[in-house]
Amino acid sequence: EDQLLESGGGLVQPGGSLRLSCAASGFTFSSYAMNWVRQAPGKGLEWVSAIGGRGTGIYYADSVKGRFTISRDNSKNTLYLQMNSLRVEDTAVYYCAKPRGGYLHDAFDIWGQGTMVTVSS
Amino acid sequence: DIQMTQSPSSLSASVGDRVTITCQASQDISNYLNWYQQKPGKAPKLLIYDASNLETGVPSRFSGSGSGTDFTFTISSLQPEDIATYYCQQYDNLPTFGQGTRLEIK
Repeated sequence: EDQLLESGGGLVQPGGSLRLSCAASGFTFSSYAMNWVRQAPGKGLEWVSAIGGRGTGIYYADSVKGRFTISRDNSKNTLYLQMNSLRVEDTAVYYCAKPRGGYLHDAFDIWGQGTMVTVSS
Repeated sequence: DIQMTQSPSSLSASVGDRVTITCQASQDISNYLNWYQQKPGKAPKLLIYDASNLETGVPSRFSGSGSGTDFTFTISSLQPEDIATYYCQQYDNLPTFGQGTRLEIK
């Protein structure tokens, strides 16, 4: 069974940093692009970033470009999101999501349970 | 960015009703449109991909149609367990989601 498990969320002050991880199992991780999607409290879904299966083909939403860095370690079946210069508006549940067919542009058929990031002083 | 306009934002219906949600893209996205269901405190669940294809294991009362800029999501006979928020999402370009439709039982 395909599974994703996020970790690393928490409370951080504005301007601070946090690194999220997403551990994958049940599928050939290196064959799949991966994504981060976030959801602010009471709000809708916002795509954040994507990375190709080999670590190339990296994309960001304008709202996080220059502050967030997506990466992956295929030997550990793990996806990362390094978040720097955090803002109050980055407060959200962060989900990692697997594309159905493995492509960068695709439907997301497997989601993690999410990890909460709270940016507050 | 491609903007997705989803309507209505909320909907109240009775068990057994036919429910329809629409999603309009700001430009032609062919059939690169998906529909998700999200229940409170849970991750989204993929229901429909490529506008009209039912994801494995999803009940057949759910369906989708459309292409280009105009798309429709339908529940043929509303069940109590369908209470959730529904989102459309395009992937013709960098992914964007609609604002969501909160579905309640009347």
